[in-house]
Amino acid sequence: SQLAEENLWALSVHEGESVTVNCSYKTSITALQWYRQKSGEGPAQLILIRSNEREKRNGRLRATLDTSSQSSSLSITATRCEDTAVYFCAHYQGGRALIFGTGTTVSVSP
Amino acid sequence: EAAVTQSPRNKVAVTGGKVTLSCNQTNNHNNMYWYRQDTGHGLRLIHYSYGAGSTEKGDIPDGYKASRPSQENFSLILELATPSQTSVYFCASGPDRGGDTQYFGPGTRLLVL
Repeated sequence: SQLAEENLWALSVHEGESVTVNCSYKTSITALQWYRQKSGEGPAQLILIRSNEREKRNGRLRATLDTSSQSSSLSITATRCEDTAVYFCAHYQGGRALIFGTGTTVSVSP
Repeated sequence: EAAVTQSPRNKVAVTGGKVTLSCNQTNNHNNMYWYRQDTGHGLRLIHYSYGAGSTEKGDIPDGYKASRPSQENFSLILELATPSQTSVYFCASGPDRGGDTQYFGPGTRLLVL
């Protein structure tokens, strides 16, 4: 399977700071999705960015997509403790089901 | 808000026993999925379904069966559970069009002794 991969296992920031999670993928995609998974919960989608979009925002979240380098980033500004979670990038493979990266743990401390 | 529920939330099983994990969705989505999540592997696809009566193998189907008796329900069956199947299992539903959002349940934590 072609995996979407986040580039770092873990990131730590203080409340109010910004953090960026990067992702690289290895196949042609129609869209890339970012999910967040809080402890004890299932993943929940944050942003879906299509291949013809370079940037997409959702409140404090900003996702970018560079199809030429097959990479994406998710930035969170003005972080809060409740942003502590594992962040995954994911894309569909063959229109079948999502392929997930292994995730980046973001820890936000007071 | 899309809703996917799973039962049980926690399960302890013995090696060689049969385990059934259940999933229900009220989104009226045609597609449903079963994933397992293990440290270092992210989420991996076990089985999926395009509608009632259909099941398809995912990336890691060995040792698992699936059943989709209705639009709303999708079960994952471990006929002979093994310790290697100890994991957290997530069910998800999604609309027909590939590329769209999947909605996940809260997960089932399975321990096989």
